Amino acid sequence: DQQVKQNSPSLSVQEGRISILNCDYTNSMFDYFLWYKKYPAEGPTFLISISSIKDKNEDGRFTVFLNKSAKHLSLHIVPSQPGDSAVYFCAASGNTNTGNQFYFGTGTSLTVIP
Amino acid sequence: DTGVSQDPRHKITKRGQNVTFRCDPISEHNRLYWYRQTLGQGPEFLTYFQNEAQLEKSRLLSDRFSAERPKGSFSTLEIQRTEQGDSAMYLCASSSRMPGAGEQYFGPGTRLTVT
Repeated sequence: DQQVKQNSPSLSVQEGRISILNCDYTNSMFDYFLWYKKYPAEGPTFLISISSIKDKNEDGRFTVFLNKSAKHLSLHIVPSQPGDSAVYFCAASGNTNTGNQFYFGTGTSLTVIP
Repeated sequence: DTGVSQDPRHKITKRGQNVTFRCDPISEHNRLYWYRQTLGQGPEFLTYFQNEAQLEKSRLLSDRFSAERPKGSFSTLEIQRTEQGDSAMYLCASSSRMPGAGEQYFGPGTRLTVT
């Protein structure tokens, strides 16, 4: 039962343009959401998070948007740079039956073309 | 402290053998997590420690899997009688805050190949 879904396995974007990565979740008890970036042969690296009391959080070139009614979040990267090429995972946690874990999506592989 | 470390980085073993992985979390973090990641999937939760207490285990963690954190610092994950389906990346993460209050910091992972 995949509670966090990333339906786009891959995305290609030109350098300087906007990258938009999407994530959907099914569990309405989730109230904290994160994005991680992963390079090959490394563990995931935290990028940005958002609490359900907000609908937007911004950190430099990275902005996360949360639409609670649609159970949808997105990560915007502006402008995209070749170094952003990586696999991006969204994750969620909340007051669920198993409250001490993060649930991860399957990832979206972003390629930024120079 | 340079972050979460894991040892070994790679392990190749024959089916039926036992393997043990080690994780050293960020020193001030009292929460430690183990995840498993297979190709094309995100990390899947295996187990969680708060200090030395193992507070949560996933149903993914069969009886062949055991994890310890004896002094509330480093942790070990042992897999007994390995099977080919155990081949995966095993990730360790640590945190100083509850999942809803802060991020987890991941180590580089141990890649297990069972032949």
